[in-house]
Amino acid sequence: ILNVEQSPQSLHVQEGDSTNFTCSFPSSNFYALHWYRWETAKSPEALFVMTLNGDEKKKGRISATLNTKEGYSYLYIKGSQPEDSATYLCAFRDDYKLSFGAGTTVTVRA
Amino acid sequence: ETGVTQTPRHLVMGMTNKKSLKCEQHLGHNAMYWYKQSAKKPLELMFVYSLEERVENNSVPSRFSPECPNSSHLFLHLHTLQPEDSALYLCASSQARGAGGPLGDTQYFGPGTRLTVL
Repeated sequence: ILNVEQSPQSLHVQEGDSTNFTCSFPSSNFYALHWYRWETAKSPEALFVMTLNGDEKKKGRISATLNTKEGYSYLYIKGSQPEDSATYLCAFRDDYKLSFGAGTTVTVRA
Repeated sequence: ETGVTQTPRHLVMGMTNKKSLKCEQHLGHNAMYWYKQSAKKPLELMFVYSLEERVENNSVPSRFSPECPNSSHLFLHLHTLQPEDSALYLCASSQARGAGGPLGDTQYFGPGTRLTVL
């Protein structure tokens, strides 16, 4: 079982503020790092696939960075909006499968 | 809509019942997955099917029995479950498994079935 850790487990953000959180994963056998957004009562939705050390991806106000040498990825939300409230999952891909973290649940307060 | 549907969305069953969960994908993918999510825990991979062949079974008890009759449909047959099996069961599909590059690994999820075992 691979150790994929996400922190914090949850956070509350005021509307308009920016925030970030972390995914830690093994630094060996790295193939890719996936981020998903999971809104309550909906399906998890793919956000990013990151493969190279130093990768940066952006989708609207959400961006992510990747450090494969030290085994972490940050996800940033700029100017949080209520619709950003969701659980954000990261998943580490090694030789053959995805291993998920437990997620960071973000609640944006209006 | 992710192109992956699951039915039913909610299921309550007794320990002696037999029920089935259904998953259907409309994305033309070749790989399908069953995951279990218990409260506050990571998604736990149960089974993987690639081109209709089961390629992974993560030590799942035999009271869970998967079936993949074709590349678009996946079932999870449930029999004599225990209360600790109560969880959210998610189905996913991907373009390829172990091939097609990292983008081919992107999994598209259904909304899940919330299962309660009494």
